Amino acid sequence: NAGVTQTPKFQVLKTGQSMTLQCAQDMNHEYMSWYRQDPGMGLRLIHYSVGAGITDQGEVPNGYNVSRSTTEDFPLRLLSAAPSQTSVYFCASSFQGALGSPLHFGNGTRLTVT
Amino acid sequence: AQSVTQLDSHVSVSEGTPVLLRCNYSSSYSPSLFWYVQHPNKGLQLLLKYTSAATLVKGINGFEAEFKKSETSFHLTKPSAHMSDAAEYFCVVSDPTSGTYKYIFGTGTRLKVLA
Repeated sequence: NAGVTQTPKFQVLKTGQSMTLQCAQDMNHEYMSWYRQDPGMGLRLIHYSVGAGITDQGEVPNGYNVSRSTTEDFPLRLLSAAPSQTSVYFCASSFQGALGSPLHFGNGTRLTVT
Repeated sequence: AQSVTQLDSHVSVSEGTPVLLRCNYSSSYSPSLFWYVQHPNKGLQLLLKYTSAATLVKGINGFEAEFKKSETSFHLTKPSAHMSDAAEYFCVVSDPTSGTYKYIFGTGTRLKVLA
């Protein structure tokens, strides 16, 4: 059982470049989300989805796009990378609607924008 | 609106002594509460969760937490710290009954265990 799979693990971009962080889960979870982790700030929600075709903004959505065409996949797109987007990115999923359903995390993507 | 406050950004304990990591929450409804642990350069692992059943929740690796509604707290404890407990710990609140399906994270507590 793979759980939540994120790729790539590491990425270096130049300012202005675009890229997509991939996230896939095999647990049939309806809820998927993207967080960024920065020192001293915990995890901040970027975007989330409660099912295929449904997405919504989190706390820090600017500069990122998402789509959810299937239950399994939830890619995060950086349209024009900026140094402020240097961070560690985590994808997480859960079974929507179940009280106490915990988040399951991928292993993270460490992104550096120069 | 939901919020989580972890009262200490850093905690240091000696190996073999008790651990207390403090978390206060704010939620308009009936929250679910979680503690996660993150070891250096690793992902987040669920330690335990509270879901309106027993107020004292036992988790993995000897950790437990007590839900106190009157104090809006969900503090994490362990009777005896081990060197392997050195990590960052996150308190998380969620309230699916509110319709938002968001999980709100505290800013984390870094636990240092001294030999």
